[in-house]
Amino acid sequence: GENVEQHPSTLSVQEGDSAVIKCTYSDSASNYFPWYKQELGKRPQLIIDIRSNVGEKKDQRIAVTLNKTAKHFSLHITETQPEDSAVYFCAASYNNNDMRFGAGTRLTVKP
Amino acid sequence: DTEVTQTPKHLVMGMTNKKSLKCEQHMGHRAMYWYKQKAKKPPELMFVYSYEKLSINESVPSRFSPECPNSSLLNLHLHALQPEDSALYLCASSPVGGAPDEQFFGPGTRLTVL
Repeated sequence: GENVEQHPSTLSVQEGDSAVIKCTYSDSASNYFPWYKQELGKRPQLIIDIRSNVGEKKDQRIAVTLNKTAKHFSLHITETQPEDSAVYFCAASYNNNDMRFGAGTRLTVKP
Repeated sequence: DTEVTQTPKHLVMGMTNKKSLKCEQHMGHRAMYWYKQKAKKPPELMFVYSYEKLSINESVPSRFSPECPNSSLLNLHLHALQPEDSALYLCASSPVGGAPDEQFFGPGTRLTVL
């Protein structure tokens, strides 16, 4: 089955700096890669996703890049703000509804 | 209605009790999921229903029994649970069955087994 590894497990940045979180996956058949943000006590919420026919996708301060050959994808957050502080999960899925999550990255943005 | 709802929010049960968790969505989604999330861990897939049929069961113990009465409703029946089953149980739904797509999560039920 699919195995997703995520690094780093914790990340602390100053407000205004950029944050990068990286994930690798094992199953070359995976073709959908979402990123979820989970604040303390809240439900996971999708912040951006990418499919395997695209190399990069951007939405305002958030971008995701995908390298299918190397089987890794990354989340980039620019101009970080304190409200970006949360746990971020990457995930990978293929041609069914089976989605596997990475272990999560706790991002802290210091004002 | 653009949300997944779950009841109850909190549940405390003894190891001999029988209880049920309920999940509902009215977005016309055809896939629904149960996840278990322990503290400081990612959601862990338990079951997937696609077009009201169980399509994935991740080797979950039989003390957890899912049910999908219709396309809007998903239940998780609990019986003879163990203290290690205490966790946040998340329900999710996605538009299409049998294909990867955004999953919309409910707020979860926090379960404590005494």
